[in-house]
Amino acid sequence: AQRVTQPEKLLSVFKGAPVELKCNYSYSGSPELFWYVQYSRQRLQLLLRHISRESIKGFTADLNKGETSFHLKKPFAQEEDSAMYYCALSGRGGYQKVTFGTGTKLQVIP
Amino acid sequence: EAGVTQFPSHSVIEKGQTVTLRCDPISGHDNLYWYRRVMGKEIKFLLHFVKESKQDESGMPNNRFLAERTGGTYSTLKVQPAELEDSGVYFCASSQGHQKNIQYFGAGTRLSVL
Repeated sequence: AQRVTQPEKLLSVFKGAPVELKCNYSYSGSPELFWYVQYSRQRLQLLLRHISRESIKGFTADLNKGETSFHLKKPFAQEEDSAMYYCALSGRGGYQKVTFGTGTKLQVIP
Repeated sequence: EAGVTQFPSHSVIEKGQTVTLRCDPISGHDNLYWYRRVMGKEIKFLLHFVKESKQDESGMPNNRFLAERTGGTYSTLKVQPAELEDSGVYFCASSQGHQKNIQYFGAGTRLSVL
């Protein structure tokens, strides 16, 4: 069974402080990992995916297969980063169901 | 280009009533998905259409839920009869055929069953 765990429901940091949103997963095989974000009054949108190896809005995430983690990081938090963040995974190839974590609310304090 | 559109944005019904949610995917997207988030829990997959065919409906909770996608365009999700535990936010997403795993989400329909 595939599972995504986000241990923190709420993470509060001060503006300019580093951010790390934790995500661990369980999957037998090679998964594809994603981070989705939902800003206030906006729809859920893809932030980044691990195979792209890109940095979006200053956020990065590295897939650690040994620790089965895909933590989302940003060196300096901005107020506009405040949002709900969801880690998600799917299998690769063809159609694969996407499984989401419960989400972490990031609150950046001015 | 319009994104994924869901209607209504909020629905309040009484237990035992019927509700129909609608989703219009991004034009040209063959894949359409329904998800649900019950308060405090994760976003859970309900089902997936490829054009008008149900590819995977393993997440549908029970036979009170019926999803259709006639003509392979918009989709409806009917709950009949609605129960209290059906309350939550229902999301629709769509994706292109060659990028199945990049899903674009609608704003969701908040369903409140009283």
